[in-house]
Formats: sequence, C-alpha cells, structure tokens
Amino acid sequence: DAKTTQPPSMDCAEGRAANLPCNHSTISGNEYVYWYRQIHSQGPQYIIHGLKNNETNEMASLIITEDRKSSTLILPHATLRDTAVYYCIVRSFTGGGNKLTFGTGTQLKVEL
Amino acid sequence: GAVVSQHPSWVICKSGTSVKIECRSLDFQATTMFWYRQFPKQSLMLMATSNEGSKATYEQGVEKDKFLINHASLTLSTLTVTSAHPEDSSFYICSASIGRGAYEQYFGPGTRLTVT
Repeated sequence: DAKTTQPPSMDCAEGRAANLPCNHSTISGNEYVYWYRQIHSQGPQYIIHGLKNNETNEMASLIITEDRKSSTLILPHATLRDTAVYYCIVRSFTGGGNKLTFGTGTQLKVEL
Repeated sequence: GAVVSQHPSWVICKSGTSVKIECRSLDFQATTMFWYRQFPKQSLMLMATSNEGSKATYEQGVEKDKFLINHASLTLSTLTVTSAHPEDSSFYICSASIGRGAYEQYFGPGTRLTVT
C-alpha cells in the first residue's frame, strides 16, 4: 500500500472546521483513501473513505484532489470529543488483500 | 451493527506467565480477524491475520510461537502471549472483517497488557 504523510499535530477551536491534510503522492489507481481516528486508549474508529470523488457522511467530508495525490478530511464543526489521532491510510484490495497499514497520524486537539 | 468486543480490557500478569486475550464479533460472522499491537505514543502495528479454520499469517518479525492465535469460530479469535516479559507490555487491538478481500475492518476496544 502507498505511504502517506500527515502533520504530526494540529489544533482547532471548538465549533470551527478542522481540516486535516494527507499527502499520498504515490497512490495508484486502484487504491482507496481511508480515514480512521483513535481516541486515547480506544480502538480505531472508521470515519470515511473514497476513491476519486469527494465523499460526505454524518461524521466528516473527504476531499480528494483531482490527481489523487492528496486529500483533506474535514470535520465541519469540531467538538472536544473529536480530540484524537487521525490516520490517513491508502489501501488496495487487489490480490485478496485486506491489510491496513497505519502511519503516525495527526494528533488533533480541539480546544475551547 | 458491526460490534467487536475484547476481553479482558486490561490485565496485569507476572513475567513468565501466559495471557489469553479474546476478540469476539458480536453481531456478524468474521471470516478474518486481525491482531495489532500498539506501544505508547506509537502507531498500530499489524501482528497477524487469521482466517477462520486456518493458521494465522504472521507479519515479519512477529514470533508465532510466542503469540499464539486461534480463530476457531466465525465469532471468536484468541491471542495468547506465552511466557510474557515486560517488553510485551502493550495495547493489543483486534479487528474483524466479514471477508478475506474487499471488506471493512471493525475494531475492538483494545486490551492493555502489563507484565511485571
């Protein structure tokens, strides 16, 4: 799976949008972009995923650039409970594989 | 839906003893389960992948004789840390998937192991 690069940490004021960037310049055509988050001492939680098009669900929006070399996860109205480590993962399902390779992620701190 | 549980949530054991951690899929059948390990302030590292009814596939550098994985049913996988040492102290997380290919992984809450 392609490697991703994320900033190690970000701060965000409560109620504001949190925009978390991810660089995946070596992504190949059949690889998806996935986002998970991990609140301290808990298991990871799935947030959203996409291939080419932008995606939105009840938790977040995912914006993928046209060349697919980078993406941004948007939490539209961050709350204190969104404080967590956010992992951007690119993932291929070819060859029957289903592995997730976690990088170092971005520690998002939401503050009052 | 898609709930995965782990038991125990935390355990303290003495050096040299063995510890078993259970991972259960509560509302779906998990063909594939994964075991991860996470040291403090580090990311999750995949230890092994297990498919129901077959032997687990271990990642490079993970000792299969030390970390015994059993996936005997479609809802239960166990990880046994044998002859545990303080360096095995870590956060162990499992995930479960309904298939071997393009399926989502659902994560358990993790088990904190401390070896004294």
